[in-house]
Amino acid sequence: GENVEQHPSTLSVQEGDSAVIKCTYSDSASNYFPWYKQELGKRPQLIIDIRSNVGEKKDQRIAVTLNKTAKHFSLHITETQPEDSAVYFCAASGWNNNDMRFGAGTRLTVKP
Amino acid sequence: ETGVTQTPRHLVMGMTNKKSLKCEQHLGHNAMYWYKQSAKKPLELMFVYNFKEQTENNSVPSRFSPECPNSSHLFLHLHTLQPEDSALYLCASSQEGGNSNQPQHFGDGTRLSIL
Repeated sequence: GENVEQHPSTLSVQEGDSAVIKCTYSDSASNYFPWYKQELGKRPQLIIDIRSNVGEKKDQRIAVTLNKTAKHFSLHITETQPEDSAVYFCAASGWNNNDMRFGAGTRLTVKP
Repeated sequence: ETGVTQTPRHLVMGMTNKKSLKCEQHLGHNAMYWYKQSAKKPLELMFVYNFKEQTENNSVPSRFSPECPNSSHLFLHLHTLQPEDSALYLCASSQEGGNSNQPQHFGDGTRLSIL
């Protein structure tokens, strides 16, 4: 089955700097890669997703890149703000959500 | 966002108790999921229901019993749990059926503590 590794487990940046979180997956059949943000005591919320037919996707300060050959994908947050502080999860799945597998999460702290 | 609602938010129970977690989605989705979230571990998929039919079990112990009476409601019945079952239990829903994946929408979860 799918195995998703996520790094780093914790990340601290200064407000205004960029943050990058990386994930690798094992199943070459995976073709859907969502990213979730979970603030303390709240539900995970989808912030961006990418499908295997696309190499990069951007939404304002957030971007995701996918390298299918190397089987890794990354989340990039530019101009970080304190409200970006949260735990971020990557995930990978195949043609349906029955096999969705999540990374262990990255705790991002943005210091003012 | 109140698309996926879970009750109760917190639950403390003894190992011999029987309780149920409830999830309701108001998004018109046809698939619902139960996940277990433990500290510093990946979200673990427990059960999947597509069109009210269970399609994934993931080798969950029988002390967890799901029920999906319709596509909007999902229950997780708990019986004779162990201390290691203490965790946040998240419900999610999505719209399945096409030839591509769709995002899952999560509830706020039930924080379960086993004494």
